[in-house]
Amino acid sequence: QSQLQESGPRLSKPSETLSLTCTVPGDSFTTIGFYWGWIRQPPGRGLEWIGILHDDGRPAYSPSLKSRVTISVDTSRTRLSLKLSSVTAADTATYYCAGFDNFDYAVEKWGQGILVTVSS
Amino acid sequence: QSVLTQPPSVSAAPGQRVIVSCSGSSSNIGNNYVSWYQQFPGTAPKVLIYENHKRPSGTPDRLSGSKSGTSATLVITGLQTGDEADYYCGTWDSSLSAMVFGGGTKLTVL
Repeated sequence: QSQLQESGPRLSKPSETLSLTCTVPGDSFTTIGFYWGWIRQPPGRGLEWIGILHDDGRPAYSPSLKSRVTISVDTSRTRLSLKLSSVTAADTATYYCAGFDNFDYAVEKWGQGILVTVSS
Repeated sequence: QSVLTQPPSVSAAPGQRVIVSCSGSSSNIGNNYVSWYQQFPGTAPKVLIYENHKRPSGTPDRLSGSKSGTSATLVITGLQTGDEADYYCGTWDSSLSAMVFGGGTKLTVL
């Protein structure tokens, strides 16, 4: 049973902004000891870290995606968002919402993942 | 090209032992904790090992992790057909200020 739940459009057009949301059913992103973020996996390929929000609100992003990505959490801390701008077919992937242990960055919580296809 | 290097595949017979290696550098494995993940087709990964060698509840003790210098190792003994999956190592990279993963290793139980 996934502890995190991703939602959003499953199809994005090239050059547009991909937007996804993550929630914790019945809970919020206030669990002590975790950072929250996103990981993706292109079809048939390996895991790629996108970024996280530290508990002081400071983000850290993958250097290869930094210019295009924004991760944020709403003021009630119930929705974690991912925005990836100027998408191309190379951004087609399963996107996972994730909870990272704040001591060693181990990914202890995973969403079920959502496949987003970038195509015109 | 992944920052951490894993063999694309490993295989062994049921009951045997298999080793999955993960090679990095001083900016990642050399100075940070390593975690290992198991992924079955069509499902999200699951953490098997954290802080180099610690097992979460649910990880059987026939799986073990270790780290030496800039390399880490996942060892699975008493292989079972249910162990067939993809395995990934991951760690923080202090130079990149980013988390990095290995390219993944596909385990086949012959």
